[in-house]
Amino acid sequence: ETGVTQTPRHLVMGMTNKKSLKCEQHLGHNAMYWYKQSAKKPLELMFVYSLEERVENNSVPSRFSPECPNSSHLFLHLHTLQPEDSALYLCASSQGGQGGYEQYFGPGTRLTVT
Amino acid sequence: AQSVTQPDIHITVSEGASLELRCNYSYGATPYLFWYVQSPGQGLQLLLKYFSGDTLVQGIKGFEAEFKRSQSSFNLRKPSVHWSDAAEYFCAVGPWGGGATNKLIFGTGTLLAVQP
Repeated sequence: ETGVTQTPRHLVMGMTNKKSLKCEQHLGHNAMYWYKQSAKKPLELMFVYSLEERVENNSVPSRFSPECPNSSHLFLHLHTLQPEDSALYLCASSQGGQGGYEQYFGPGTRLTVT
Repeated sequence: AQSVTQPDIHITVSEGASLELRCNYSYGATPYLFWYVQSPGQGLQLLLKYFSGDTLVQGIKGFEAEFKRSQSSFNLRKPSVHWSDAAEYFCAVGPWGGGATNKLIFGTGTLLAVQP
């Protein structure tokens, strides 16, 4: 595997389910990000992790719970979601600090909440 | 405040025609600028980036962009568009927010359609 991978690619869940999204980066980066992309809306930054420590939480509802066990893996735990949470969830990574500012994205997980 | 504006929400060009996608930014220092492309149902792929030096930068898939500081612009160009270029294009500027992370500000995107 190369780059940034995300699983699953598609997920349908009911409002009472609990599920997790997984992201893995194979680039040796030390920062990871979760974004939400909804139709007709700008890309929303949800969480930022640097060196496995959460450094930003952009007023995201508590039904979204991130976890970063190491610098290569990032999870987004989902529970009691709402239909408006249906979106494409993108993971990205970068080399923090002066190592370069570009972010590399995974293919995304298309989430549908029914 | 830092911001990125992509004035064109949707653009249609004919295959073989030239393309220019506009991006204007507001940033307090020398910006780092990026263009990304997103095909339907996919993640964002980095096309090119500007850090410093030559203001005309070359990217993948035959794209180029020119940084114009006086106009606060970083427009993306391609001399001859192919049907496979149909996608959404995002301009981004950074870093912002400080700290050890490289947060970027993304524009709202320009959706490119290519007519045969």
